Amino acid sequence: DAKTTQPNSMESNEEEPVHLPCNHSTISGTDYIHWYRQLPSQGPEYVIHGLTSNVNNRMASLAIAEDRKSSTLILHRATLRDAAVYYCILRDVTGGGSNYKLTFGKGTLLTVNP
Amino acid sequence: SAVISQKPSRDICQRGTSLTIQCQVDSQVTMMFWYRQQPGQSLTLIATANQGSEATYESGFVIDKFPISRPNLTFSTLTVSNMSPEDSSIYLCSVVYQANNEAFFGQGTRLTVV
Repeated sequence: DAKTTQPNSMESNEEEPVHLPCNHSTISGTDYIHWYRQLPSQGPEYVIHGLTSNVNNRMASLAIAEDRKSSTLILHRATLRDAAVYYCILRDVTGGGSNYKLTFGKGTLLTVNP
Repeated sequence: SAVISQKPSRDICQRGTSLTIQCQVDSQVTMMFWYRQQPGQSLTLIATANQGSEATYESGFVIDKFPISRPNLTFSTLTVSNMSPEDSSIYLCSVVYQANNEAFFGQGTRLTVV
């Protein structure tokens, strides 16, 4: 599996935007970029995913570099409830939907200050 | 979204005993997975639970230690056998629907082996 590199931790203030970076220099053409987050004492939850184009949903935006070697998860207005570990994961879609094994790295611990 | 019920939510067990963890989903899913999260660590995939056949284990995990059943499309069990303190972890069930790009996770089972 292609690997990702994320900062161990980041800090933000409430109601400010947060940009969480992820490097994946060995990404292949069949790798989707997925983001999950794990709130304290909970299982991970899906945030967003993309392949080449930038993506937006109700939770966040995903900005993907043109060469796809890096991406940034953007939380437009951080709240205290966004404090979590954020995981950037590459998912190889070769084999279609049957390949959904996720390889979690250490992620980025986001602290949100009131 | 999926409603995933994991039981028990937590347990304290004696070394040498076994514990069976149940994962029940509110609708039929394509894929079910079991993950382990050791204290302070990220998630590691244990195995893919295959409906009606033997589970597919990841490197470092064996059937004798972690037998898995999946008798139908909504239910799976993971047994942690002959437990030692090193097995103290959170065990999480994850499900994926066909043609979906999201994985859903249960709340996890926090296991402490004494």
